[in-house]
Amino acid sequence: DGGITQSPKYLFRKEGQNVTLSCEQNLNHDAMYWYRQDPGQGLRLIYYSQIVNDFQKGDIAEGYSVSREKKESFPLTVTSAQKNPTAFYLCASSEDSHQPQHFGDGTRLSIL
Amino acid sequence: GQQLNQSPQSMFIQEGEDVSMNCTSSSIFNTWLWYKQEPGEGPVLLIALYKAGELTSNGRLTAQFGITRKDSFLNISASIPSDVGIYFCAGRPGWDDKIIFGKGTRLHILP
Repeated sequence: DGGITQSPKYLFRKEGQNVTLSCEQNLNHDAMYWYRQDPGQGLRLIYYSQIVNDFQKGDIAEGYSVSREKKESFPLTVTSAQKNPTAFYLCASSEDSHQPQHFGDGTRLSIL
Repeated sequence: GQQLNQSPQSMFIQEGEDVSMNCTSSSIFNTWLWYKQEPGEGPVLLIALYKAGELTSNGRLTAQFGITRKDSFLNISASIPSDVGIYFCAGRPGWDDKIIFGKGTRLHILP
């Protein structure tokens, strides 16, 4: 099946720990994105990448880091510097930065 | 920064009724997108609009790109229980700009 795969579906973090959320796509898309969704809120952009080995900060990048070493993979690390990490995290991809984005099924991160 | 105002925030309707929701911005956009999100899942693209005045259908869904380029509308005809979810509008102000998302309209359908 072609699509965007996020794992794990649920993730629990102890305070002070870094955690990494996985996002893989087999659509051959150049652009990939990470969003954060809080209840009653729209999607807020964390980081995006228009091409391999390049990425830019979104609107709420503080406390997060990413890498784009392969076209199909765009992992997001939630660092201990992110003081309010509990949220639903969505990964998306698009053919290029001008095309509509398609989303994975999300990872829900909770703090223990 | 730029924001999209999506209304209503939530809707409670009877099965079989038509639904209408909209999205407005203070500046012009050159792309409008409509997504649907079901609980625990990612948003799914429903309709993409690229030209002012454009009217596009996807089954019982119809969306329009407002002629002022500052708004977009989504209509759902003859609602059914599986239409329940959150509908997000999204827009791109300029060709090289990032997409901006509205806060969503949560649709509830009463039996």
